[in-house]
Amino acid sequence: EAGVTQFPSHSVIEKGQTVTLRCDPISGHDNLYWYRRVMGKEIKFLLHFVKESKQDESGMPNNRFLAERTGGTYSTLKVQPAELEDSGVYFCASSPTGNTIYFGEGSWLTVV
Amino acid sequence: GENVEQHPSTLSVQEGDSAVIKCTYSDSASNYFPWYKQELGKRPQLIIDIRSNVGEKKDQRIAVTLNKTAKHFSLHITETQPEDSAVYFCAAGAMNRDDKIIFGKGTRLHILP
Repeated sequence: EAGVTQFPSHSVIEKGQTVTLRCDPISGHDNLYWYRRVMGKEIKFLLHFVKESKQDESGMPNNRFLAERTGGTYSTLKVQPAELEDSGVYFCASSPTGNTIYFGEGSWLTVV
Repeated sequence: GENVEQHPSTLSVQEGDSAVIKCTYSDSASNYFPWYKQELGKRPQLIIDIRSNVGEKKDQRIAVTLNKTAKHFSLHITETQPEDSAVYFCAAGAMNRDDKIIFGKGTRLHILP
């Protein structure tokens, strides 16, 4: 069974540019999550989809971040315009309802 | 919302000794407590989890204990080995209510030769 996959694995962009991160959850998992780890610190919750609906987006830092999950399958997280403090690792995770949450390998974003 | 505190932030133990990492949580509705291990440059990997209907769970050298009254849970690693060196994260969540988990700040575990 394929795990959670994320693309790109690494991205270096200039301040002010746009980056779109993609996540393909494990097939059949209704729950999809985005987390972020900045500068080796804690893993912070960004938002949670249940199918195509945003269940909780309380962790989104500001309106430069936009997440979508079209058709309840894959999800994208767009950062526009990117700032230096957005650098970090963006993890996507998925789970069946009420069950174990599995993480992807992460998308490493560097804003210069 | 849920708030998870984790201690210590760094832990060094001699190979073969035991390591203990402790966490507390704030939301009494939380009923799911997973532990993740993250090696450098890799994904957080679930190593063990416990639900609120049990007080202890063990898997080979790893055990987790839960005290719901005190809102404490701990990870115990016995007979530590070099490959146990990593960052360990505890997390807590109210599954079937929020279905999300909130992480502690992580513990960097060093196994000394």
